[in-house]
Amino acid sequence: AQSVTQLDSQVPVFEEAPVELRCNYSSSVSVYLFWYVQYPNQGLQLLLKYLSGSTLVKGINGFEAEFNKSQTSFHLRKPSVHISDTAEYFCAVSERGGNTGKLIFGQGTTLQVKP
Amino acid sequence: GAVVSQHPSWVICKSGTSVKIECRSLDFQATTMFWYRQFPKQSLMLMATSNEGSKATYEQGVEKDKFLINHASLTLSTLTVTSAHPEDSSFYICSARLGRGTEAFFGQGTRLTVV
Repeated sequence: AQSVTQLDSQVPVFEEAPVELRCNYSSSVSVYLFWYVQYPNQGLQLLLKYLSGSTLVKGINGFEAEFNKSQTSFHLRKPSVHISDTAEYFCAVSERGGNTGKLIFGQGTTLQVKP
Repeated sequence: GAVVSQHPSWVICKSGTSVKIECRSLDFQATTMFWYRQFPKQSLMLMATSNEGSKATYEQGVEKDKFLINHASLTLSTLTVTSAHPEDSSFYICSARLGRGTEAFFGQGTRLTVV
């Protein structure tokens, strides 16, 4: 079984500052890793994913994440945030090669960008 | 990217009635769809995995007789909340995947309020 821990429930940051949202996972098997963003009363939009290859993954809206196998982490970063980045962010894993491909989500991190 | 449409976006129903939520993949065929439930300020909890042409696989603790899932075609899955009660009020989100190891595309969610 897999589990995901997002270490920060809320992250306040000023506009144009850098931000890091932390994610750690636990799994007895290899996994795929994802970051999703959710705006109020909406579904989830994929920011980026790690399936294989380079451990530094670049996504949409200037976000990137680095897969660290030894630390079982997949932290999300952005060098300069905008007000429009204010949203809920979810880290998720799925079992590599699993039959169902179901996603296990972390608890979510609220990113609050202040002017 | 692929589009998943969920309908309705919000619904209010009386206690004891049933409500049906539709999830459609508009431009791809989804052999597997997933149904999640999200309480305010919380993460997504997987309710069930919906497979086209077969019975859904429910997660532990989810009442299959209360949350009826039907996946009659490769582009449509439905979730029916039977005999709804106020505690069933929640945000329900569906997702569909193109295949193993690929990203999941999410519907916009359905806000269910039972009064």
